[in-house]
Amino acid sequence: DAKTTQPNSMESNEEEPVHLPCNHSTISGTDYIHWYRQLPSQGPEYVIHGLTSNVNNRMASLAIAEDRKSSTLILHRATLRDAAVYYCIQSGSARQLTFGSGTQLTVLP
Amino acid sequence: EPEVTQTPSHQVTQMGQEVILRCVPISNHLYFYWYRQILGQKVEFLVSFYNNEISEKSEIFDDQFSVERPDGSNFTLKIRSTKLEDSAMYFCASTRDDRGEFYGYTFGSGTRLTVV
Repeated sequence: DAKTTQPNSMESNEEEPVHLPCNHSTISGTDYIHWYRQLPSQGPEYVIHGLTSNVNNRMASLAIAEDRKSSTLILHRATLRDAAVYYCIQSGSARQLTFGSGTQLTVLP
Repeated sequence: EPEVTQTPSHQVTQMGQEVILRCVPISNHLYFYWYRQILGQKVEFLVSFYNNEISEKSEIFDDQFSVERPDGSNFTLKIRSTKLEDSAMYFCASTRDDRGEFYGYTFGSGTRLTVV
């Protein structure tokens, strides 16, 4: 079973920032936090991952709480193409990813 | 940007028939995976493959499933005798994972398998 907890759905207005929360209270010191997204009828797409420090890439930012029990994916400026299911995944030394139900992000024009 | 390529995009097969799903991972990637997603359900891990052997597999990946990297570029998933419940979207993925550092997966667009 997925070890993370995410809201089922969120809405955002186009061109505004979006903060997608995730709780991972059972995380251990070597577990990574991954974010993927899945657009309709497509395969999952890597967004970002981190271990302890906040991370930035061209798609998003990942803010990790100091105790690592929660994190937030930040889309700085949502576009209609960002509408997708966003998955927060906690993984250990095993390479497999365990997907939960994710957060369905709706972006309103 | 490099892509993971899967063929065919859609396959229809009769129950009991064998199917082979094909994938071309990104060329410098070392780890390969198959996942599946039954319509309306979660993405589920099937198997991971590294250094020409299975490194992990789930309970779903029973004796009816096998994987192979026959020629150094293709990565295949074979289902020996398909059942109706094998109908799903099958995703191939690969990742670099160089010297223990984790890199993100790249997933293919999937093969929709329909068993009739």
